[in-house]
Amino acid sequence: EIVLTQSPGTRSLSPGERATLSCRASQSVSNNYLAWYQQKPGQAPRLLIYGASSRATGIPDRFSGSGSGTDFTLTISRLEPEDFAVYYCQHYGSSPRTFGQGTKVEIK
Amino acid sequence: EVQLVESGGDLVQPGRSRRLSCATSGFTFDDYAMHWVRQAPGKGLEWVSGISWNSGDIVYADSVKGRFTISRDNAKNSLYLQMKSLRTEDTALYYCAKDYYIGAVAGLLDFWGQGTLVTVSS
Repeated sequence: EIVLTQSPGTRSLSPGERATLSCRASQSVSNNYLAWYQQKPGQAPRLLIYGASSRATGIPDRFSGSGSGTDFTLTISRLEPEDFAVYYCQHYGSSPRTFGQGTKVEIK
Repeated sequence: EVQLVESGGDLVQPGRSRRLSCATSGFTFDDYAMHWVRQAPGKGLEWVSGISWNSGDIVYADSVKGRFTISRDNAKNSLYLQMKSLRTEDTALYYCAKDYYIGAVAGLLDFWGQGTLVTVSS
């Protein structure tokens, strides 16, 4: 089983700032099958990034993903008020499909 | 517009069974694998199970293997999760989710329902 560890647990930032979130895998993620999701309170998760760096349909270009192997990053270039949420990484393509524990991006 | 609507959640006693349903619309259901993901109150996401378009490939998380059964009815555009021998740690909001890729049980989830709450308690 691939264990995904996200850091930090919480990041306090102001609107307009850059957010960098980390996701580290316990073993190499094959084919970079790594996704990022955003979840706001009371809502279902929303797919942001897949294949480590491809944006899902309708996702603003301030969201970008990078990385390969065991180290992945989600970057939000300039935080908008609606971006304050919890972000999860997930590996897919092999069982079990695991999620990281999440990083909360909160308003400073 | 893709829509996924879960139902069947309720308060259930430990050891009992419960069946969840997910009604879908807005896409060609029998082209895509489907999944269940759960989220315990105040906790993170846990992938539970996935099923291929033709039910030929079915996968489970170890935490539910042997107790939960995923199934689908392509004629009704619906997904199901039969849960048996429920435990208190199964208490969660259960989401139905559509796979991004046609055919394969990849587990990349591009559309989600709003979830149905299962509470296991005596």
